[in-house]
Amino acid sequence: DVKVTQSSRYLVKRTGEKVFLECVQDMDHENMFWYRQDPGLGLRLIYFSYDVKMKEKGDIPEGYSVSREKKERFSLILESASTNQTSMYLCASSFFTGTGLTYEQYFGPGTRLTVT
Amino acid sequence: TQLLEQSPQFLSIQEGENLTVYCNSSSVFSSLQWYRQEPGEGPVLLVTVVTGGEVKKLKRLTFQFGDARKDSSLHITAAQPGDTGLYLCAASSGAQKLVFGQGTRLTINP
Repeated sequence: DVKVTQSSRYLVKRTGEKVFLECVQDMDHENMFWYRQDPGLGLRLIYFSYDVKMKEKGDIPEGYSVSREKKERFSLILESASTNQTSMYLCASSFFTGTGLTYEQYFGPGTRLTVT
Repeated sequence: TQLLEQSPQFLSIQEGENLTVYCNSSSVFSSLQWYRQEPGEGPVLLVTVVTGGEVKKLKRLTFQFGDARKDSSLHITAAQPGDTGLYLCAASSGAQKLVFGQGTRLTINP
């Protein structure tokens, strides 16, 4: 089974703090993703990475950066946390199934971040 | 911009009833996936459909990909309280990124 783990299930930080969210996958997947999920807004892609040291902006990259130094690890960084970054953060990894041009994504359990 | 519209957004029914959730788009996709997400957890992949007209069954859940590969449905027979959750459809056009629907929040009342 694919396993995607996230460093924390719950996190409380203060405005202005630098926040690191870590994600690790154990299936040698090429692609990794960071999303945030908010009520009424669905899943929104922040950044994704298709290889070590490679990254691409998603739909809402402002206020975030990422790092992928090793294939299995993808970090999301909030340089200066703000209250509007309070959200559920989900990490995912994916691989190409070879069938129907399909990439299947597998998600971690999520990190509920509260910025006060 | 590719969009996936899910309907209904909310559904609350009694245990034992049947239901269908829809996922529609004006775009053609190479594949479509369904996820279920329970409160406080990440989405869990239920099924992937890749061929137009394809039907897949997972116990009491039946998934269908439209003939034109623009839409999909999820039918649950004799719903159980354990089916409660947020159901998300997600589609791929062959790229690494997926397009997600807004989700259907399903509540099954005992």
